[in-house]
Amino acid sequence: DGGITQSPKYLFRKEGQNVTLSCEQNLNHDAMYWYRQDPGQGLRLIYYSQIVNDFQKGDIAEGYSVSREKKESFPLTVTSAQKNPTAFYLCASSDDRDNEQFFGPGTRLTVL
Amino acid sequence: AQTVTQSQPEMSVQEAETVTLSCTYDTSESNYYLFWYKQPPSRQMILVIRQEAYKQQNATENRFSVNFQKAAKSFSLKISDSQLGDTAMYFCAFILDGQNFVFGPGTRLSVLP
Repeated sequence: DGGITQSPKYLFRKEGQNVTLSCEQNLNHDAMYWYRQDPGQGLRLIYYSQIVNDFQKGDIAEGYSVSREKKESFPLTVTSAQKNPTAFYLCASSDDRDNEQFFGPGTRLTVL
Repeated sequence: AQTVTQSQPEMSVQEAETVTLSCTYDTSESNYYLFWYKQPPSRQMILVIRQEAYKQQNATENRFSVNFQKAAKSFSLKISDSQLGDTAMYFCAFILDGQNFVFGPGTRLSVLP
């Protein structure tokens, strides 16, 4: 089955620690995205990548970092510089043909 | 700046009734795509319907249809014969030139038995 996987589903970290969220897709999509969702709110773009080894900042990139070494993978690191990291994180991918974004199941990050 | 507005934070509808969710957007571009996504309590984002801005005809997918008014920059979603499984957050979004997606704040829809 083609799709997007995110792991883990729930993640707990102590304040001051960096944490990396995994996102893998087997849809052969060029573009991948990371969004943050806070309770009762919409999606805010953190980073996106249109092609391997290239990525751009979204609206709320401060305190986050990404890499895109492989087409299938787009991990997100939440650094200690992120002031309020507790949130729900969604990864998505898309291709150029129909522009639809396909989403992973999300990771709920809680910083204690 | 490109923006999406959903003026109804919450709505409710009786099972089997029809409900319309509003969405307006702002862009100076002429070529773009519009989407409605559904996020049920599982939090999995699911595409409901999409519309290409250059097409005059309103998109339909079974019980879901849109009213696309390009000049007014309006893209409302109509759900007919509402079902309990339609209970979810609904997000309106658009994309320019295959790059940045812009999402609205969402409308929480409750379908009542």
